[in-house]
Amino acid sequence: DSGVTQTPKHLITATGQRVTLRCSPRSGDLSVYWYQQSLDQGLQFLIQYYNGEERAKGNILERFSAQQFPDLHSELNLSSLELGDSALYFCASGTPGGEQFFGPGTRLTVL
Amino acid sequence: GQNIDQPTEMTATEGAIVQINCTYQTSGFNGLFWYQQHAGEAPTFLSYNVLDGLEEKGRFSSFLSRSKGYSYLLLKELQMKDSASYLCAVRGAGNQFYFGTGTSLTVIP
Repeated sequence: DSGVTQTPKHLITATGQRVTLRCSPRSGDLSVYWYQQSLDQGLQFLIQYYNGEERAKGNILERFSAQQFPDLHSELNLSSLELGDSALYFCASGTPGGEQFFGPGTRLTVL
Repeated sequence: GQNIDQPTEMTATEGAIVQINCTYQTSGFNGLFWYQQHAGEAPTFLSYNVLDGLEEKGRFSSFLSRSKGYSYLLLKELQMKDSASYLCAVRGAGNQFYFGTGTSLTVIP
């Protein structure tokens, strides 16, 4: 158990819909990272937050947005969903030394 | 563009040593990371190198040469449970991460 929690574990929805994925980092970690993993594209970095502020941005689509709240939990919002958005979404929390701890992931299926 | 290369598949024998190479070309460099991922599970952080040289952590070691754009992950005393995918990632100038496609390691008895 990494100490990072993600909800929900599974999500099935339809094209055009909007969903919110939630992540709670390990106690004491200020950084939260979001990743997408699909079979055809491997693991892709989406975005990083540090203590409520956006720190780095990767291949995150304009239809996707994220935020980190004062209690340090983070949410990833995915809107106007397409079939190609079906993937595993991982959240990780990070230490200042660079170590990252991954949550169990949310499996999103868009039908 | 960003390019991270690592072998697709490797096979090694239980008890042996295996070296997984990673070469990279990125705009800027703020560290190189190795992760292990078993099928159906989340990635697990293995190592982080930002300076040249070897970092050792138990049976796993990671090496970095920034001038050559090269890193390797060394696994000693291989165990069956080491069969997994190993991902190399580089953190670029803007702190974004670029991942290789992963090396699937199979450990055979």
